[in-house]
Amino acid sequence: GQNIDQPTEMTATEGAIVQINCTYQTSGFNGLFWYQQHAGEAPTFLSYNVLDGLEEKGRFSSFLSRSKGYSYLLLKELQMKDSASYLCAVRDSNYQLIWGAGTKLIIKP
Amino acid sequence: IAGITQAPTSQILAAGRRMTLRCTQDMRHNAMYWYRQDLGLGLRLIHYSNTAGTTGKGEVPDGYSVSRANTDDFPLTLASAVPSQTSVYFCASSEGTSGGTDTQYFGPGTRLTVL
Repeated sequence: GQNIDQPTEMTATEGAIVQINCTYQTSGFNGLFWYQQHAGEAPTFLSYNVLDGLEEKGRFSSFLSRSKGYSYLLLKELQMKDSASYLCAVRDSNYQLIWGAGTKLIIKP
Repeated sequence: IAGITQAPTSQILAAGRRMTLRCTQDMRHNAMYWYRQDLGLGLRLIHYSNTAGTTGKGEVPDGYSVSRANTDDFPLTLASAVPSQTSVYFCASSEGTSGGTDTQYFGPGTRLTVL
């Protein structure tokens, strides 16, 4: 079966750095996505990795290792508005997205 | 309109009733998707459409049907609602290109409660 694993919940302090991990086992791999979802809102696109390595976008970076079936999302200089759920998704061999259950990130002042 | 709209925002429905959730996008995207999101589970694909006139089944299609008469609209119908269909439903769209990012963009969601 196909499986995406992420921690259920994480807590971090405003101004700090947090790393959210995602491991996957899917039938095929055509890219990995990270989305942010605030409570009661729609998911919004954050990043996309298809090759191994680090992609940086401002305060957010995403890393991929295809051989290990592993990705992480790194959030720097945390702000209160970063409190949200972060969803990891893998596009499989059928070109469909398989989604993790999401990691709820709580930011404390 | 900018992006994707969904209607209604929320709905309480009696079991056994028929219900259509509406989704419209103005980005001229080829591909559209319907997901349901339940607590503790990832988004699950119900149905999708790669282009107008075609549809396909996702992971959890039973009890749902879709149509794609044109590029912009992708309604989801529950023929006879059951309590297990209580969920938040998201419509999404993407350009539908086979290569590249083909990012999916989501509508605001419909919160459906079946009693």
